[in-house]
Amino acid sequence: AQTVTQSQPEMSVQEAETVTLSCTYDTSESNYYLFWYKQPPSRQMILVIRQEAYKQQNATENRFSVNFQKAAKSFSLKISDSQLGDTAMYFCAFGGSQGNLIFGKGTKLSVKP
Amino acid sequence: DSGVTQTPKHLITATGQRVTLRCSPRSGDLSVYWYQQSLDQGLQFLIQYYNGEERAKGNILERFSAQQFPDLHSELNLSSLELGDSALYFCASSVGTPNRGGNTIYFGEGSWLTVV
Repeated sequence: AQTVTQSQPEMSVQEAETVTLSCTYDTSESNYYLFWYKQPPSRQMILVIRQEAYKQQNATENRFSVNFQKAAKSFSLKISDSQLGDTAMYFCAFGGSQGNLIFGKGTKLSVKP
Repeated sequence: DSGVTQTPKHLITATGQRVTLRCSPRSGDLSVYWYQQSLDQGLQFLIQYYNGEERAKGNILERFSAQQFPDLHSELNLSSLELGDSALYFCASSVGTPNRGGNTIYFGEGSWLTVV
């Protein structure tokens, strides 16, 4: 069965600095997708970024980028120029043949002024 | 606004009661998912439907059931409620499944269930 592990329960970063959130996963599948979702205090789940496993190029969305290491089964999220609005829980998720997303337990990120 | 609509947004009910949570997926989406998020917990996958058929099942209790109707809306029925069922229940939808063409799952705002 697939598993997703986020080893950092909490992190903090100063405003305008860069922070990296870690995620590892375990799967025997070769065709899958990986996602990062953000959950602010409002508890809404917001898609941050998506990565296709067959693509070697790392996905980027404005200040958010990923470091996808397929062989190591690692999928970290880098947030550049952190803003106060980035304060949230961040969930890493795996989408495979099961047809649903499997989530990690999340990392609580606090951006400090 | 993700386009996924959930009702009710908040619900308080007593132990032993039964409730129904409703979800309307985004226009054009065939897959509907239900997730449970307890306080300070991650998201637990409950069940998925694709075009009216059950597609995948997670850790859904026997007291819980769901269905997807011909118009693609879905309902999650929770019965014989216990205090531990208090949680945020998310509905989500996608065009297909996550590993088919990178279909992204979009989440509704959730239904807060409090069992007292």
